Amino acid sequence: GNSVTQMEGPVTLSEEAFLTINCTYTATGYPSLFWYVQYPGEGLQLLLKATKADDKGSNKGFEATYRKETTSFHLEKGSVQVSDSAVYFCALSGGGYQKVTFGTGTKLQVIP
Amino acid sequence: DAGVIQSPRHEVTEMGQEVTLRCKPISGHDYLFWYRQTMMRGLELLIYFNNNVPIDDSGMPEDRFSAKMPNASFSTLKIQPSEPRDSAVYFCASRQSIMPGSEQYFGPGTRLTVT
Repeated sequence: GNSVTQMEGPVTLSEEAFLTINCTYTATGYPSLFWYVQYPGEGLQLLLKATKADDKGSNKGFEATYRKETTSFHLEKGSVQVSDSAVYFCALSGGGYQKVTFGTGTKLQVIP
Repeated sequence: DAGVIQSPRHEVTEMGQEVTLRCKPISGHDYLFWYRQTMMRGLELLIYFNNNVPIDDSGMPEDRFSAKMPNASFSTLKIQPSEPRDSAVYFCASRQSIMPGSEQYFGPGTRLTVT
């Protein structure tokens, strides 16, 4: 079946540092890939997505590239802010009904 | 649109009591999902509906859990009887279609505490 593996947290960075959160996946066919973000006390919300190989999703300074050859979708941001502190979930959808499989989440804490 | 609406936002109940969680999906969305989030198990898909019909309930933990969707704008998740291990945040999400890349929209969640 489909699965998503992402780096364990928590990740603690200083403001303006470079962020990478690794995500790899296992899936049959050609899944769509997502990053969702969850701020404290809220539900998940879509951060970015990519639907085919070599696509780059981007939003709010975050980027991730769909790498089929390495089955990866790593999240990056060049300069994090305190307001980026949240839990980040990598996810994929595929198969019948495009069922979504989520990773375990990575907590990011950015300190001033 | 107001987004996915869940009620109540917080629920505290005693073991053995019945709990009902409610969800109103975004209008026009054909798919509705119920998730449970805990520190130990992360985010788990419990059940999902398409056009009010349950499609996959394999994630429902046991017979104490049941979910209904009587119409396109309302769904309930019921736990009867509740147990302390049911304490978690329960999310409802909706989705417009199953086109590749279609987004799931999550509600704010219901934090359930069973004492």
